[in-house]
Amino acid sequence: DIQMTQSPSSLSASVGDRVTITCRASQSISNFLNWYQQKPGKAPKLLIYAASSLQSGVPSRFGGSGSGTDFTLTISGLQPEDFATYYCQQSYSTPPYTFGQGTKLDI
Amino acid sequence: QLQLQESGPGLVKPSETLSLTCTVSGGSVSSSTYYWGWIRQPPGKGLECIGTIYYTGATYYNPSLKSRVTISVDTSKNQFSLELSSVTAADTAVYYCGAYDSSNYFGWFDPWGQGTLVTVSS
Repeated sequence: DIQMTQSPSSLSASVGDRVTITCRASQSISNFLNWYQQKPGKAPKLLIYAASSLQSGVPSRFGGSGSGTDFTLTISGLQPEDFATYYCQQSYSTPPYTFGQGTKLDI
Repeated sequence: QLQLQESGPGLVKPSETLSLTCTVSGGSVSSSTYYWGWIRQPPGKGLECIGTIYYTGATYYNPSLKSRVTISVDTSKNQFSLELSSVTAADTAVYYCGAYDSSNYFGWFDPWGQGTLVTVSS
């Protein structure tokens, strides 16, 4: 199985900050990498697919980059509603598609 | 607009079988665009993909759960289902159903159901 490792596990930031979350795959996954946002008690929401493509309706302050084994999610100009937990997920090859362990972003 | 909704018992006894159903609205489980999946999240922990099914009945299961999992699809009811046998307290989790969009070269889960908490306890 492909293992996904996120860092950091938790992160504290302030409104207006720029933050970066990293996701590393245990083998090359090209750009088959998605990012999700999850708020407490809610289902995850797709933010970015194919490593860098913004899902429709997602604010442009969210950005993704990377290819191969190393990927980043960047949030520029944090807003109060961005404080949540973020997960990466690989969609390379056949299912099941593994998730990272999550990064909790709080104030 | 595609929507998914989980249903099933919220409490299951140890050693019994957990059974959940996901009802799809605004689209068809027979669509070639989607795989249909189950993902779970133990309290306070991360996400684990249990498995997926295509409308043809082709399934993919997480190797760590494969011996206990069955995912099926019922096109007449526009539903797909999860069965997890021989459950223990470690299977206590919020269970989500999700549509895995495979309409282009890449794929992703969107949308998701709201999730349902299943507790394994006697």
